[in-house]
Amino acid sequence: DAKTTQPPSMDCAEGRAANLPCNHSTISGNEYVYWYRQIHSQGPQYIIHGLKNNETNEMASLIITEDRKSSTLILPHATLRDTAVYYCIVRPLHSGGYQKVTFGTGTKLQVIP
Amino acid sequence: GAVVSQHPSRVICKSGTSVKIECRSLDFQATTMFWYRQFPKQSLMLMATSNEGSKATYEQGVEKDKFLINHASLTLSTLTVTSAHPEDSSFYICSARDRGVTGNTIYFGEGSWLTVV
Repeated sequence: DAKTTQPPSMDCAEGRAANLPCNHSTISGNEYVYWYRQIHSQGPQYIIHGLKNNETNEMASLIITEDRKSSTLILPHATLRDTAVYYCIVRPLHSGGYQKVTFGTGTKLQVIP
Repeated sequence: GAVVSQHPSRVICKSGTSVKIECRSLDFQATTMFWYRQFPKQSLMLMATSNEGSKATYEQGVEKDKFLINHASLTLSTLTVTSAHPEDSSFYICSARDRGVTGNTIYFGEGSWLTVV
């Protein structure tokens, strides 16, 4: 898996958009960008993934730069329940059975009332 | 999204005993499952990868005889911590790969807290 780098922590005011950046400059052509979050004492939760087009679902939007070397996860209206550690991961969409997923240190997002 | 369930969510065991943690994919078949360990304020550390019907592949530094992984069916994998010691106390998390409509997405269980006393 390509490595990713994320800021260790960010604050966001409740109700405002939270923009979480991720650099993945060594991403390969067949690798997707996945985002997960981990709320304290729980297993990671899948948020969204994308290849090169921007993606949106009920949880978030994913903006991937044209060169695919970085991306931004956007939580449009952050709530206190969005306080968590957010992980950006790159991996192939279609891979062999042993394609493992390794985690970096992620970004700890603190939503402030 | 797909659902992965772990059991038990919390377990306390005596030093020297063994404890089993189950991981089930509830609404999809998981040919591949992963086991992680997480210590407080640290990221998830991959322990091993298992494919249904074959032996698990362990990460460097993880003792395969201590952390026994069985993936006997497409919906169930188990992690057995043998001869547990207090330093094995940790948060254990499983994940499963769904090759269905979501296209190879990995989903995680709720995690299991193990305390060895």
